Formats: sequence, C-alpha cells, structure tokens
Amino acid sequence: DTEVTQTPKHLVMGMTNKKSLKCEQHMGHRAMYWYKQKAKKPPELMFVYSYEKLSINESVPSRFSPECPNSSLLNLHLHALQPEDSALYLCASSLYRVAGGPRNEQFFGPGTRLTVL
Amino acid sequence: GQQLNQSPQSMFIQEGEDVSMNCTSSSIFNTWLWYKQEPGEGPVLLIALYKAGELTSNGRLTAQFGITRKDSFLNISASIPSDVGIYFCAGQATSGTYKYIFGTGTRLKVLA
Repeated sequence: DTEVTQTPKHLVMGMTNKKSLKCEQHMGHRAMYWYKQKAKKPPELMFVYSYEKLSINESVPSRFSPECPNSSLLNLHLHALQPEDSALYLCASSLYRVAGGPRNEQFFGPGTRLTVL
Repeated sequence: GQQLNQSPQSMFIQEGEDVSMNCTSSSIFNTWLWYKQEPGEGPVLLIALYKAGELTSNGRLTAQFGITRKDSFLNISASIPSDVGIYFCAGQATSGTYKYIFGTGTRLKVLA
C-alpha cells in the first residue's frame, strides 16, 4: 500500500479563521513533508519531519504551524492566513534512509485545495 | 528555492507519438524521481532511479539516470490521451538531507 491520505479535500476559510489540515500514512515511513503548490508551478517545500521531529523549515511564516503527533500523522495548523496563501497543500512521505539509498521514493497525498477569502 | 531545469516546458503531440523530456542540474543527485500530476490531484510517482546509468521501465515509460548524475530523461512511447498532465522530475541531493528538488515541469497535451 503506497497511500497517503489527506483531509479535507477542499477548505475555504476567512483570514481570521483557525483551521487544520491532516495527513496520514501507514507505510512505516519516518519522513513526512508539507508542500505548497500554486497553479502550473512545481511543489514548494515547506516543512520536513523525520522521526517525528521537525528537521527542515523552509522559512515558512508562523501563520503555518506543523505538528507530527506520531509517526503516521502530520498536521498543518493554519491561522490568520492571507489570500495569497490560497494553493494546493500537499503532504508526502518517504522512508528515512541515507540520501541515495534504495527505495527512497517519496509518495504524495491527493492534496487539500485551500481558498482564503 | 532551488529548482531543476526541465525541458521542454510544454508539448503538443499526436496520439501514438513518442515523447521525450529531460531534467538537468548543476548539482549531483543520488536519486531521481519522475512524477505525473493531473489537475487538482497530487503528483503520482512513475519511476524511481538510484544508480548512475540506470535505465528503468514502467509500461510505456522509460527513464534513465544520467552518467554524470546531473541529469535524467523520461520517454513515453506510443502516447495515448490519458498521458495528458504535467510531468515533474525530482532529485534528492547527496548531503543526507531529505529534501527533494523539483523540476519546473513539462506540460503534455495529446491530440487524438
């Protein structure tokens, strides 16, 4: 099973709202990722968790707050977002291996389409 | 952020034609991944490459890991309408990081 699930599929929120995006995988992967993707652009890395600890934060504004409650779950908490934050938010996971090791594939979820009004 | 150079940017081809696209970098990568993405969906992994010179097939798709480890190629044979989408390459660097650097994408349109 190479499935990464994300909820919700779509989310519309106002600039004063607080919401959360959820991601789950049961492949035993120990690295999990959040990406932001604008239309016709490649995914843009936001955060990486490895072994449930934040290992990479790509200078993301604090209105985005990631959380990894356990090895299968990844959340992205949203607060006071701006309209320009509207995008497709993608979660991904991969085995925690030395770079270049075998089976170091990264699998993506279907994404959450976020609209900030 | 850092991106890989992917070409062509877009392609319009006739059904049944073969397609070639490539990804180049000034940096060495240990892993190359190729994805296809359809509108409103997440990228779907097509092929993973781990060794310089490696050639791997997945049905009508064939990808190669360049000898210099700075490039990769994806070929699609006998294209069909459902091949439409954006194809992304992604490379994983050698430094032990878990970051994957993405190419700019190749948009493929197939004319029936």
